[in-house]
Amino acid sequence: DGGITQSPKYLFRKEGQNVTLSCEQNLNHDAMYWYRQDPGQGLRLIYYSQIVNDFQKGDIAEGYSVSREKKESFPLTVTSAQKNPTAFYLCASSVSTGTNEKLFFGSGTQLSVL
Amino acid sequence: GNSVTQMEGPVTLSEEAFLTINCTYTATGYPSLFWYVQYPGEGLQLLLKATKADDKGSNKGFEATYRKETTSFHLEKGSVQVSDSAVYFCALSDSGYSTLTFGKGTMLLVSP
Repeated sequence: DGGITQSPKYLFRKEGQNVTLSCEQNLNHDAMYWYRQDPGQGLRLIYYSQIVNDFQKGDIAEGYSVSREKKESFPLTVTSAQKNPTAFYLCASSVSTGTNEKLFFGSGTQLSVL
Repeated sequence: GNSVTQMEGPVTLSEEAFLTINCTYTATGYPSLFWYVQYPGEGLQLLLKATKADDKGSNKGFEATYRKETTSFHLEKGSVQVSDSAVYFCALSDSGYSTLTFGKGTMLLVSP
């Protein structure tokens, strides 16, 4: 079955530590996205990538970094510069970044600070 | 900039009741409008969409009509089921990019 796989489902970060969230898709989609979800605040875009080796900042990119070395993979690193990292992180993909494109979402990673 | 405003939840209904979740938007261009649904512990799934004014999106008994004059895209269902309990997100996509702008989400709780 095609889809998006996020791992791990739960992740804990210590103070000053960088952590990386994995996102893999086998849908052959060009575009991939990272969203952050906080209770009562909806989803906010962190980064997105329209093609391999290229990515753009979203609305809340500070304290995060990404890479897109392979079409299938779009890992997100939450750096120590992100002072409030506790949230639910959702990865998504679409065929392209056209206006009407449907987004496919992974099942998310819950990141908490120890 | 673009924005989406949804009614606050939770919306609590009995099974077979009529559902309306209000959504209004602000956009600079001519956006496409979407409703996504999130079941507990999962990611979002596209429920329905409309790409131009007066279009009606529909799926699984849910409907929403793109009203340009009122900048609205209200979600409706004639008879809800317990299995419809979830968080519903209204969203828009503008300017040729699929970087969606989401509303804050509305939780729906349906009791038997």
